[in-house]
Amino acid sequence: KAGVTQTPRYLIKTRGQQVTLSCSPISGHRSVSWYQQTPGQGLQFLFEYFSETQRNKGNFPGRFSGRQFSNSRSEMNVSTLELGDSALYLCASSLEVSSGNTIYFGEGSWLTVV
Amino acid sequence: EDQVTQSPEALRLQEGESSSLNCSYTVSGLRGLFWYRQDPGKGPEFLFTLYSAGEEKEKERLKATLTKKESFLHITAPKPEDSATYLCAVSVYSGGGADGLTFGKGTHLIIQP
Repeated sequence: KAGVTQTPRYLIKTRGQQVTLSCSPISGHRSVSWYQQTPGQGLQFLFEYFSETQRNKGNFPGRFSGRQFSNSRSEMNVSTLELGDSALYLCASSLEVSSGNTIYFGEGSWLTVV
Repeated sequence: EDQVTQSPEALRLQEGESSSLNCSYTVSGLRGLFWYRQDPGKGPEFLFTLYSAGEEKEKERLKATLTKKESFLHITAPKPEDSATYLCAVSVYSGGGADGLTFGKGTHLIIQP
């Protein structure tokens, strides 16, 4: 059974640009969550989507947004990139809403902002 | 505010030397506690989910336990391939919606041959 797939794995962007990251959840999973991982802050929750609806959002500015499609695949977008947005962006999926349920992570997308 | 604290930050052991990693939590209402393993450059790999105090789960050389205030990840006779960062996370009851997991900073474990 295929795991969570994230694309692209690595990317370099210039400050001020925008970026879109893609995530395909485990087959049958309906919830997709996004996390940001940095050496200083560790893993932090960005947002979760379930049935194409955003369930909740972490403490991140409005430049961070996402969406989920009818096939459960998800994308996240970061606009007006800042140097501090350089991080590993992780997508995770679960059968139902993540609260209290196990979530499974992909390998992540490494974003470097220069 | 929900808090998860892992200790030690780093641990170096000899192969075969058993030890325990600690995860203490302060939350309003625990729905579940999760352990993950993360290798450099990769996403976290799921290990265990614990839901109530007194619960224990085992997998190969790893055993996770849960009390009302903390969780332990016991590593018995570790091998070099157990070297990784071990992450603890909690899911809590909230007024509505899903708040996502709150993670600790992790314990960086090195097993020397």
